[in-house]
Amino acid sequence: DTAVSQTPKYLVTQMGNDKSIKCEQNLGHDTMYWYKQDSKKFLKIMFSYNNKELIINETVPNRFSPKSPDKAHLNLHINSLELGDSAVYFCASSLRQAGNTIYFGEGSWLTVV
Amino acid sequence: AQSVTQLGSHVSVSEGALVLLRCNYSSSVPPYLFWYVQYPNQGLQLLLKYTTGATLVKGINGFEAEFKKSETSFHLTKPSAHMSDAAEYFCAMSPGGGSNYKLTFGKGTLLTVNP
Repeated sequence: DTAVSQTPKYLVTQMGNDKSIKCEQNLGHDTMYWYKQDSKKFLKIMFSYNNKELIINETVPNRFSPKSPDKAHLNLHINSLELGDSAVYFCASSLRQAGNTIYFGEGSWLTVV
Repeated sequence: AQSVTQLGSHVSVSEGALVLLRCNYSSSVPPYLFWYVQYPNQGLQLLLKYTTGATLVKGINGFEAEFKKSETSFHLTKPSAHMSDAAEYFCAMSPGGGSNYKLTFGKGTLLTVNP
């Protein structure tokens, strides 16, 4: 069984559209994350939720809105997509404690044209 | 502020040769350190991590890393490279202790293995 699964894996969309990426984990973790990997492979955290509560919110345009209906799910909605939003978005999860392993999903490749 | 520096964005070795990927960190508190591997078009997989205890850490696929506090380093090594090791490798850290577990990543090192 896939531990952290996200859908869709590939998404091509036009500028100005709104899109969502869904993520689910079956590891029993209480904390979930969204990371963004840019074209130069640099990884940066965007958001983190612990038991449905937003605990990390980096400097991200407010066009990006995460939603966590329960601790096993964390979705990312993006409004008014821009060319610069093209990237790979990784969902991840862990137990909330420093040093615990963070498990990553396979990534969602978003291309805005 | 915490930061992670990976020296060398691209390392090329021959099959069977030693692999050495360098990672240095900057942290105001003792760090927890991680190495992740990313194969093409895939997610990140943990290779190994250091939290406390023994400073030489062994991971999967024959990799190991040594935490050297005096050098603020956590270099990744493997005695003999295999073609299947070709991938992007990321060093990452989080502040040790407490509940601050946000990972800060280095910019990655692409490992190429030549036959």
